[in-house]
Amino acid sequence: DVKVTQSSRYLVKRTGEKVFLECVQDMDHENMFWYRQDPGLGLRLIYFSYDVKMKEKGDIPEGYSVSREKKERFSLILESASTNQTSMYLCASSSSGQGKNEQFFGPGTRLTVL
Amino acid sequence: AQTVTQSQPEMSVQEAETVTLSCTYDTSESNYYLFWYKQPPSRQMILVIRQEAYKQQNATENRFSVNFQKAAKSFSLKISDSQLGDTAMYFCAWLSGNTPLVFGKGTRLSVIA
Repeated sequence: DVKVTQSSRYLVKRTGEKVFLECVQDMDHENMFWYRQDPGLGLRLIYFSYDVKMKEKGDIPEGYSVSREKKERFSLILESASTNQTSMYLCASSSSGQGKNEQFFGPGTRLTVL
Repeated sequence: AQTVTQSQPEMSVQEAETVTLSCTYDTSESNYYLFWYKQPPSRQMILVIRQEAYKQQNATENRFSVNFQKAAKSFSLKISDSQLGDTAMYFCAWLSGNTPLVFGKGTRLSVIA
């Protein structure tokens, strides 16, 4: 059974803290993605990666960075958390194979920044 | 830039009835894929159905079917015989090649007993 896992379901941090959100997939997928989900705004792409050590900015990269040192792991980093980063964060992965572009999602991390 | 629009923020349907969720998109690409994803309350996002733009036949998965109108850039989802477990957020999404998915803002569907 294919799986995308995220390190925490719920996380509470304080303003100014450095926050790491981890995502791991076991499907040997090349592509990995980080989204944030807010009511009324849908899913917005933060960063994505097509290969190890590669990263691309999405629509809302400000205040975030990412790391992909291994194919199966894609980390999202909030360098200095702020209250407007309180949100649901979703990780996804997909294959680069022709016609195999379905994205598989993790369960999400609900982050609260106080 | 590609955009996906879901014009119905919320909908409700009686159990066993049929409901249609609307989605329109804007693109100049000729070859692309369209998806409907389902996100139940507090649960993981899962794929409901996908459509390849070059296929004229509408995709069907059990009680879920789409009405794909390429010229009108419309991609609606029909749920037949609605069940309580269909209560969820539904997202329409588009992609071409290896690009990231472009999502609509979602439709919250409530199935009422």
